[in-house]
Amino acid sequence: KAGVTQTPRYLIKTRGQQVTLSCSPISGHRSVSWYQQTPGQGLQFLFEYFSETQRNKGNFPGRFSGRQFSNSRSEMNVSTLELGDSALYLCASSLFETGMGYNSPLHFGNGTRLTVT
Amino acid sequence: QQQVKQSPQSLIVQKGGISIINCAYENTAFDYFPWYQQFPGKGPALLIAIRPDVSEKKEGRFTISFNKSAKQFSLHIMDSQPGDSATYFCAASKDSGGGADGLTFGKGTHLIIQP
Repeated sequence: KAGVTQTPRYLIKTRGQQVTLSCSPISGHRSVSWYQQTPGQGLQFLFEYFSETQRNKGNFPGRFSGRQFSNSRSEMNVSTLELGDSALYLCASSLFETGMGYNSPLHFGNGTRLTVT
Repeated sequence: QQQVKQSPQSLIVQKGGISIINCAYENTAFDYFPWYQQFPGKGPALLIAIRPDVSEKKEGRFTISFNKSAKQFSLHIMDSQPGDSATYFCAASKDSGGGADGLTFGKGTHLIIQP
């Protein structure tokens, strides 16, 4: 079974631009979560989608948004990029929505490395 | 507010030794505690997880010890091997079914196993 696939692997953008990242979950998984990983803040929860609905959102500004499609694939968008948005963005999928972690653990992709200059 | 504190930040262990990483949490609503392993250029991979109704869980060379009263849990890697060199993250969440705030991660421990 293929794992979580994230595209692109690397991205370089200029401050003020916007960016869209893509995630294909493991086949059969219905929940997709996004995390930001930086050396200073570590791994931080962005949001979670289940059945095309945003279920939970972390403490990030409204410039960060996402959506999920009927085939469970998800996209994350960051508008008006800032230098501090440079990070590894990780997508994770699970069978069910989070809150059932033990029976539905998160499986992470290898991330998209975003650099904002 | 950091809800999961992980220590040490870095750890060097000789091959064959025991690696121990500790985590402490604040939110008593947490009831799911996984550990993830991350290699450079890769995403975190689930290693082992525990619920607070047990004090210990073992899978191969990896053991989680859980102390509910102290709100602490730890990962023990027995017979550590150079291939175990990676960054390890503890995490916690509310495993109550239906809606949660995602996983809260510790800051990570960079483990180096010296041959």
